[in-house]
Order: sequence, then C-alpha cells, then structure tokens
Amino acid sequence: DVKVTQSSRYLVKRTGEKVFLECVQDMDHENMFWYRQDPGLGLRLIYFSYDVKMKEKGDIPEGYSVSREKKERFSLILESASTNQTSMYLCATWGNSYEQYFGPGTRLTVT
Amino acid sequence: DQQVKQNSPSLSVQEGRISILNCDYTNSMFDYFLWYKKYPAEGPTFLISISSIKDKNEDGRFTVFLNKSAKHLSLHIVPSQPGDSAVYFCAASDVTSGTYKYIFGTGTRLKVLA
Repeated sequence: DVKVTQSSRYLVKRTGEKVFLECVQDMDHENMFWYRQDPGLGLRLIYFSYDVKMKEKGDIPEGYSVSREKKERFSLILESASTNQTSMYLCATWGNSYEQYFGPGTRLTVT
Repeated sequence: DQQVKQNSPSLSVQEGRISILNCDYTNSMFDYFLWYKKYPAEGPTFLISISSIKDKNEDGRFTVFLNKSAKHLSLHIVPSQPGDSAVYFCAASDVTSGTYKYIFGTGTRLKVLA
C-alpha cells in the first residue's frame, strides 16, 4: 500500500510566521502535489513536482513556495503566514497508475 | 473558470436506497476521471476511476457512468450505507497529454440516514 505521511495533523501559527509543511511518501513516485481544501471550493492545486528539484505552479501558488530535494519528500513553505491561509493542506502522489494517493492532511490555523 | 463542477453541495439518502452523485466538466480533452471519498479531518481516499474509452465501471457497490457527449459523469452507490456519509469529489485529467494534473470539483456532502 502507498503511504503518504504529513508532518503534522494540526498546526497553529501566528500571522507573519514562516511555516513548513512536510510530506513524505514511500512508493518512489515521481509526481507529488500540494492542495488546499476549503469549504465550497473543493481541492485547489498549489504546486506540484514531477522530479527532484523540479516544481510547477498550480492554480493558486501566491504566498507559497515548495522544495523537493529528495524524491520521497515534498515541502510546502508559507513564507509569511496570513489568516487567509488558514485551511486544510493535503499532499498527494501520483505513480504508475492514474490514481493520486493522499496524505491525512494538515489543518493549519493562522491567528 | 470551473472546469469540473459538482452542482449539488449536499445530498441526503435513506439507508439501503441508491445514492447518485453528479459531476459535469467542460474540457473535452479530459480522458480520465476519478471519484474520491473524504471524511472530516482525513485525506481523500480513492474510490473508483473511469477512462474515456469506457462508459461504465463497477466496483462492488460503486458504479461510475460516463457520458462523453454530455460531458457528465455520475457515481452510483447501491445500497447506500451510513458509513458512506462523507464528502465526495470528482476529478478529471487529460492524462494523454502527460500533464499529471487533476482538476477537482467542489464536492458533494452525502448523508445516509439510518
């Protein structure tokens, strides 16, 4: 079974803090993704990566950056957290089949 | 521009009856579709998929139907069970072009009443 883990299930940060969300997968998948989920808006793609050190902007990259130094690890960085970044953050991978496999999510609250 | 739409934000169904969740898309290049189920405070779990070369795919109680001419897909759950209560997302991708991106709908919250 594919396992995707995220560093924290719940996180509370203050406005202006730098926030790191980490995602690790154990299936040697090339492609990794970061989404955020908000009520009524579904899952929106922030960034994705199809190889180590490669990254592509998704639909809502503003205020975020990413890092992929190793194949199994994909980090999402909020350079200066703001209250409108309070959300559920979901990491996913995509391997040889066409399904995406999701981690358990991180509920981030920015106060 | 919402390329994948789930127009019903919520649906209530009696236990044992059929649940039908709908999804519409606008991009005719989409050729692979997924359905996910999501419980609160958990990540989405994959349910069932369908390729554009098919019009139906079944897996146990779950069946997905694809109508390419109408750009419409639906997920049928028969019989519905209380454990099916969750938010359901459809997702679409143009896998042939190698974009490796899915576009997700906004979700439908299904409540199965015991």
